[in-house]
Amino acid sequence: EIVMTQSPATLSVSPGERATLSCRASQSVNSLAWYQQKPGQAPRLLIFAASTRATGIPARFSGSGSGTEFTLTISSLQSEDFAIYYCQQNSNWPPTFGQGTKVEIK
Amino acid sequence: QVQLVQSGAEVKKPGASVKVSCKASGYTFTTYAIHWVRQAPGQRLEWMGWIIAGIGNTKYSQNLQGRVSITRDTSASTAYMELSSLRSEDTAVYYCARSYNTAYDYWGQGTLVTVSS
Repeated sequence: EIVMTQSPATLSVSPGERATLSCRASQSVNSLAWYQQKPGQAPRLLIFAASTRATGIPARFSGSGSGTEFTLTISSLQSEDFAIYYCQQNSNWPPTFGQGTKVEIK
Repeated sequence: QVQLVQSGAEVKKPGASVKVSCKASGYTFTTYAIHWVRQAPGQRLEWMGWIIAGIGNTKYSQNLQGRVSITRDTSASTAYMELSSLRSEDTAVYYCARSYNTAYDYWGQGTLVTVSS
């Protein structure tokens, strides 16, 4: 199965600053999604097909990349953005998730 | 609005089975697939399997093959996930999620399953 590796494990950012999260696949994938998860809540879809924002997701969230290297960028962190972010590939069976990046307040 | 509402928390003994339900509303149930994903404490999300709600076809994680079964009742717009031969490592929050364009756009609220003697 494809192993998804996210970095860094924890990212300390001040509100208003930019956050850049990375996701690497052990082999090339055709589709990648990003999710946000807050404590006690289900994951929320942010980005699918590597760069398409899901319905209702603010424009400060953007995704990029292809093949094995992908990036989620949050252009100006708001208080509600402090959470854990997961990437997921669904182009090769079985679907697999990264281990997550925790974005915390600096 | 689209909603997936799951059944409540369960406590089971090792060796037992658990069945979690996921009731869909706000869309045509048979138009989308439903996936099941679990999250053990402190662990990454793990895909368990899926069902194409319209035709009932299923596919499961090889890690759980033989222990997991996903079914659906189209008249009730509900999907079910049953996991058997439970062990302590199966303690996790179990989620159902709707399939959308190679991602999961709506998720249930999660069901905590605790396996303990």
